[in-house]
Amino acid sequence: NAGVTQTPKFRILKIGQSMTLQCTQDMNHNYMYWYRQDPGMGLKLIYYSVGAGITDKGEVPNGYNVSRSTTEDFPLRLELAAPSQTSVYFCASGEAANYGYTFGSGTRLTVV
Amino acid sequence: DQQVKQNSPSLSVQEGRISILNCDYTNSMFDYFLWYKKYPAEGPTFLISISSIKDKNEDGRFTVFLNKSAKHLSLHIVPSQPGDSAVYFCAAETGNQFYFGTGTSLTVIP
Repeated sequence: NAGVTQTPKFRILKIGQSMTLQCTQDMNHNYMYWYRQDPGMGLKLIYYSVGAGITDKGEVPNGYNVSRSTTEDFPLRLELAAPSQTSVYFCASGEAANYGYTFGSGTRLTVV
Repeated sequence: DQQVKQNSPSLSVQEGRISILNCDYTNSMFDYFLWYKKYPAEGPTFLISISSIKDKNEDGRFTVFLNKSAKHLSLHIVPSQPGDSAVYFCAAETGNQFYFGTGTSLTVIP
């Protein structure tokens, strides 16, 4: 059982480059989330989706975009990479808050 | 503006003893509170949750206590085992959004 799969696991970007972080879940969950975790900090919500075709901003959406064309996929797009976007990015999915959410293993992004 | 706070960055306990991890929050609109465990280079793993209408939830060695008047929750692990050594995050949910604390690194000493 794959759960939540994130690719790539590591990436180095130059300032101004763009990239897409992929996230796929095979549990038919409606809710999907993107978080970033900076060193010594908690997870900050970037964007979330409550179902296909619906996305909403979280706490720190600036510099990112998302789409949710299918239930399974929730890609995160960085258009003009900046050093401040150096972080570990986690994708998560779930059905209800009290059941918790399943997280992917993360993407470690460095912008130089 | 940190709505969920974990003021202890680290905690060490002896194997077999109780581990108590604490979390404070500021938003009275939170509906659910959750605890996650995280190992290095892995994503967080859900441990246990509690609804805002309850004051205690238990699952095996893990018990979460909620004190709404104090806006405080805690996770008790009894007995603590070396495999419990990890970073523990508390999180709170409202309106489909989750807010995480900064984590407490627990070390269980054999």
